[in-house]
Amino acid sequence: NAGVTQTPKFQVLKTGQSMTLQCAQDMNHEYMSWYRQDPGMGLRLIHYSVGAGITDQGEVPNGYNVSRSTTEDFPLRLLSAAPSQTSVYFCASSYRGWDYGYTFGSGTRLTVV
Amino acid sequence: SQKIEQNSEALNIQEGKTATLTCNYTNYSPAYLQWYRQDPGRGPVFLLLIRENEKEKRKERLKVTFDTTLKQSLFHITASQPADSATYLCALEERNNRLAFGKGNQVVVIP
Repeated sequence: NAGVTQTPKFQVLKTGQSMTLQCAQDMNHEYMSWYRQDPGMGLRLIHYSVGAGITDQGEVPNGYNVSRSTTEDFPLRLLSAAPSQTSVYFCASSYRGWDYGYTFGSGTRLTVV
Repeated sequence: SQKIEQNSEALNIQEGKTATLTCNYTNYSPAYLQWYRQDPGRGPVFLLLIRENEKEKRKERLKVTFDTTLKQSLFHITASQPADSATYLCALEERNNRLAFGKGNQVVVIP
């Protein structure tokens, strides 16, 4: 039982490049979310999904796309990387049930130069 | 605008004492309030969830209260230990399933 797996753990991109951050969970959780964490800003919601085929925007969606074709996977795409997207990205998932919080991945540290 | 406020100053506390953290919110109608722990370089770890119709929830040495009139939650760590040193995050979930976080409050337990 691996939980929430994020890849890669570290990435350096040049401005204008695109890439996909991968997130997979093996707990059959319906809910999945992407956050970015910056010093002094806390965790900010980028996009989230309440089930396969359903996605919605969070607080800071610009510059990012998501899709949810399966329950297990929720990739985050950076369309054209900018230095402002330098951050630590966390994927999280949850089962909607009694007293159930979110399980977070270990994060992807992204630097855009 | 919506805000979730946690004390930005670290809480330094002697081992064995009770640490109390505050989470205040404005312009939210949360269905759930959650608390997480985050260690440096790691993802947050879920600790406790309390529902809007609950006043208090306990788990081992942890206690959470939730006052929807005051728009405030208190998080208590009793008999604190050095291993409790971490940043603690308050999070609110509204009925649209969006989970929003405060910036966190660092706790340092002094042996």
